[in-house]
Amino acid sequence: GENVEQHPSTLSVQEGDSAVIKCTYSDSASNYFPWYKQELGKRPQLIIDIRSNVGEKKDQRIAVTLNKTAKHFSLHITETQPEDSAVYFCAASYEGGADGLTFGKGTHLIIQP
Amino acid sequence: DVKVTQSSRYLVKRTGEKVFLECVQDMDHENMFWYRQDPGLGLRLIYFSYDVKMKEKGDIPEGYSVSREKKERFSLILESASTNQTSMYLCASSLGLYGQYFGPGTRLTVT
Repeated sequence: GENVEQHPSTLSVQEGDSAVIKCTYSDSASNYFPWYKQELGKRPQLIIDIRSNVGEKKDQRIAVTLNKTAKHFSLHITETQPEDSAVYFCAASYEGGADGLTFGKGTHLIIQP
Repeated sequence: DVKVTQSSRYLVKRTGEKVFLECVQDMDHENMFWYRQDPGLGLRLIYFSYDVKMKEKGDIPEGYSVSREKKERFSLILESASTNQTSMYLCASSLGLYGQYFGPGTRLTVT
């Protein structure tokens, strides 16, 4: 089955700086890669996703890049703000998640004032 | 706006009890999922269902079963609860192939 590795487990950045979280996956058949943000005590929320026919996708301050050859994808957050502090999970699946997602272990992003 | 609800936010059960966790979504989604979330392990898929009365095992189905008698409701059953099933349980649903929406979670403690 699919295996997703996520790094780093904790990331601390100064407010205003950029943050990058990286994930690798094992199953070359995976073709859907969402990112979830989970604030303390709340449910995971989908923040951005990318499909394998696209190399990059942006939504305001967040972007995701995908390298299918290397089987890795990354989340980029620019101009970080205090409200970006949360745990971020990457995930991968085949057929867009209808078979369920395989998640990375999460990255705790801390924004230092 | 998609709404996924779970029957309890907190639940305390004894070892050996039969436990039912219920999930309801109001957006006519075909696909529904149960995950458990543990510190340092992320979210792991227990079971999923892509239609009424259909179910598929996920990555960690041992000790669990599920029921989907109606499209909007997906139940997770712990036949005989054990302490290693103490966890946060998250239900999710999706329309088609993309974009899972999560419920608020049930924190289950088995003593």
